[in-house]
Amino acid sequence: DAKTTQPPSMDCAEGRAANLPCNHSTISGNEYVYWYRQIHSQGPQYIIHGLKNNETNEMASLIITEDRKSSTLILPHATLRDTAVYYCIVRYSNQAGTALIFGKGTTLSVSS
Amino acid sequence: KAGVTQTPRYLIKTRGQQVTLSCSPISGHRSVSWYQQTPGQGLQFLFEYFSETQRNKGNFPGRFSGRQFSNSRSEMNVSTLELGDSALYLCASSKSSGEPHNEQFFGPGTRLTVL
Repeated sequence: DAKTTQPPSMDCAEGRAANLPCNHSTISGNEYVYWYRQIHSQGPQYIIHGLKNNETNEMASLIITEDRKSSTLILPHATLRDTAVYYCIVRYSNQAGTALIFGKGTTLSVSS
Repeated sequence: KAGVTQTPRYLIKTRGQQVTLSCSPISGHRSVSWYQQTPGQGLQFLFEYFSETQRNKGNFPGRFSGRQFSNSRSEMNVSTLELGDSALYLCASSKSSGEPHNEQFFGPGTRLTVL
């Protein structure tokens, strides 16, 4: 089962920041938080991941709370093309393999 | 750099038939994972192959099988198709397996319809 909880849907105005929350209260010390998104009927796209420090790349920023029980994905200037389902995934770093366990995700709708 | 490619993109089969799907990973990637996506169950992990060996397996019946070749290309086979096997089948590749900084890159998927 997925180890994360996300709101089912969120709305955001174009040009504004989209802040997508994720709860992972049972996360272990060596588990990473990954974010993927899926635009309708396409394969999921990797966005960002982190362990305990905040991370930023060209797509987004990831803010992880100090106790690591929750995180927020930030899209600084949302565009219509950011409309997608966003998945927050907790992944064990030493597992024998690379299985991603997806939850239901958050459907982000960006409107003009 | 070419992404993950999957063939065919669309497939229609009838119940009882079998099907083989193909996945070519990103050049240099040695791990290939397969996922099934349905409206009811969402995205579910099927199995992972690394260096021609199955590393990890999800909770699917034995009708679902796969293999990986020496060039890292992978195939997935579903035998005795059922209506419930209609889904988008996604393949993902990564450089290695089981390491933290090891993001997976997904292909566009194969849409299988079972009639």
